[in-house]
Amino acid sequence: AQSVTQPDIHITVSEGASLELRCNYSYGATPYLFWYVQSPGQGLQLLLKYFSGDTLVQGIKGFEAEFKRSQSSFNLRKPSVHWSDAAEYFCAVVLIGGATNKLIFGTGTLLAVQP
Amino acid sequence: SQTIHQWPATLVQPVGSPLSLECTVEGTSNPNLYWYRQAAGRGLQLLFYSVGIGQISSEVPQNLSASRPQDRQFILSSKKLLLSDSGFYLCACTDRLGDTGELFFGEGSRLTVL
Repeated sequence: AQSVTQPDIHITVSEGASLELRCNYSYGATPYLFWYVQSPGQGLQLLLKYFSGDTLVQGIKGFEAEFKRSQSSFNLRKPSVHWSDAAEYFCAVVLIGGATNKLIFGTGTLLAVQP
Repeated sequence: SQTIHQWPATLVQPVGSPLSLECTVEGTSNPNLYWYRQAAGRGLQLLFYSVGIGQISSEVPQNLSASRPQDRQFILSSKKLLLSDSGFYLCACTDRLGDTGELFFGEGSRLTVL
């Protein structure tokens, strides 16, 4: 069955340090992949998405992600983290077919940023 | 672009009481609509989705139900709440014509059942 795994439940980085959040998916075909961010008590905001083409995708707020088919991964990166990046991050894959496409989420990674 | 309104934003209800969470969408027509629940440490679980008025699909068996009385209105209900219904409920939509699965989310409704 299709699934998304985010192996890191909680990550703490220092402000200005680089960041990489891991995401692995299980899907039979070429996936549509997403990263969303959620600030406390808020809805989810799309950071970036991958449908096809260039495997390195750029998103908002300085984030990027790289699709690696051989590793079934779609890791999120940022070269220099800001305190405002503290939030929960969700990786998701689209389940194609049926009456509608459905988005399947990972369990999320909570990012804390130290001054 | 789409805007999703959810209310109430927070709700505290006793066990056994009814529930009604409302979601309305602006900026698009004929959207696909979704209800997700977010429990601590469990990510987002898809509860219901709807591809049109009166058309509801349930993803998991549970104590909740959903209805879509109008094109851009989606309601989550329960006749008798359980403690396990506590959580953060998110309404989402996607534009069916461009249905690649990308979702637009509301700000959520936090339900605490005591």
